[in-house]
Amino acid sequence: EVQLVESGGGLVQPGGSLRLSCAASGFIFSSYEMNWVRQAPGKGLEWVSYISTSGSTIYYADSLKGRFTISRDNAKNSLYLQMNSLRVEDTAVYYCGRDVPTDYWGQGTLVTVSS
Amino acid sequence: QSALTQPASVSGSPGQSITISCTGTNSDIGGFSYVSWYQQHPGKAPKFIIYDVSNRPSGVSNRFSASKSGNTASLTISGLQAEDEADYYCSSYTSSNTLIFGGGTKLTVL
Repeated sequence: EVQLVESGGGLVQPGGSLRLSCAASGFIFSSYEMNWVRQAPGKGLEWVSYISTSGSTIYYADSLKGRFTISRDNAKNSLYLQMNSLRVEDTAVYYCGRDVPTDYWGQGTLVTVSS
Repeated sequence: QSALTQPASVSGSPGQSITISCTGTNSDIGGFSYVSWYQQHPGKAPKFIIYDVSNRPSGVSNRFSASKSGNTASLTISGLQAEDEADYYCSSYTSSNTLIFGGGTKLTVL
């Protein structure tokens, strides 16, 4: 069974940093492209970032303006999202997703940016 | 890049059919056959229901069908059931090597 489990969310002050993790199991992680997608409270889905199987190709949403960094460790079956210079508008549930298009989603981890 | 345009809400009675539209541009929907659709129930993660414009993943009911014409994609749900009440999102690959979602459509089963 495919499982994606996000962790690392929480409350952070504006300007702070947070690192999200996504632990994958039930499939050959190194064979799949991965994504992060977020959803602000009461709002729609917003694509955040993509990483290729080897990590050599990476894309980000323009709105992030270099503040977020996606990475993966295929040996640990894990996906990461380093988030810096966090803003109030980054408050959202962050989902990791397998493949493009995303066929499996984690349950999400809530990031709250507030003073 | 702005979100794909979806109606905020649609409704239908059990057994009826409804269609949700998703409008983009030549740089996304119109330029690629990579439109997907997701169903999301409150408090849950999205569920993958359509890929590559009109294909259903294994296990998805054949009551869900989809198509594309020009810059507009459409999702049709036939034989509406109470459990179909959810939010629906379209998504497309873009010419900028990014993904873009629609704003979401809330389906109410009357």
